[in-house]
Amino acid sequence: GQNIDQPTEMTATEGAIVQINCTYQTSGFNGLFWYQQHAGEAPTFLSYNVLDGLEEKGRFSSFLSRSKGYSYLLLKELQMKDSASYLCAVPFTGGGNKLTFGTGTQLKVEL
Amino acid sequence: DGGITQSPKYLFRKEGQNVTLSCEQNLNHDAMYWYRQDPGQGLRLIYYSQIVNDFQKGDIAEGYSVSREKKESFPLTVTSAQKNPTAFYLCATTPAGTYEQYFGPGTRLTVT
Repeated sequence: GQNIDQPTEMTATEGAIVQINCTYQTSGFNGLFWYQQHAGEAPTFLSYNVLDGLEEKGRFSSFLSRSKGYSYLLLKELQMKDSASYLCAVPFTGGGNKLTFGTGTQLKVEL
Repeated sequence: DGGITQSPKYLFRKEGQNVTLSCEQNLNHDAMYWYRQDPGQGLRLIYYSQIVNDFQKGDIAEGYSVSREKKESFPLTVTSAQKNPTAFYLCATTPAGTYEQYFGPGTRLTVT
C-alpha cells in the first residue's frame, strides 16, 4: 500500500522561511507532487519532483530524497497570502493514473 | 479559454434527496476524477474515469454514482444512501501520459 505523512499544522512569521516535510511509503515511485490549497478553493499545482535534489521556483523550492522516502517544501520570504494548506501527493502504483494525497499541512503566517 | 467548471459553487439539499454535481472540461483530457474533502482533511477519491463509457470506484464510492457518456462531462450523483454527504466536492482531470491533476473550483454540498 501507500502511506503519506505530513504535519497537521505549522505557524510561521511573515518574512521568515518555513519547511514543510512529507514522508511517504510506496512500492514503486513515479514522482512526488506538492499542491497549495487556500480555504474553500481548489488545490493548485506547485511542484513535481522525480529526481533527487532541490528544485527552485521563485520563493518556493521542493526537495526530494527517494532513498529516504522524504520530501520537503521550502517557502521563503513568507507572505500573509501563503497561509494555506499544502498537500503532498504521490502517484498510485497499483494502476489507474491516480494520486494518493496526504492530509495536508495547514500553514498559518502571522505578523 | 480552457478549463474545468463545476456548478453550482454552493448546493443545499434536504436529507433523502439525490443530487447531481456537474463537472465539465474543455481541456481534452482523458482522465477525470471526483474527490471529497471534509474540514481539515485531505482528498479522498470517490470515482475516476480514464476513458469515455468506463469508470472505476475509488476509496469511498459507497452512496455515489457516476457516468461518463462524453469526454467533456463526468457528473457525480450523491444518493440518499450516502450517510454523510455534506462536504466539499472536487473534480479533477489529467492529460494523457502524466500524473498531474488539474482541479475544478469545487462544489460545497450541504445536506440538512
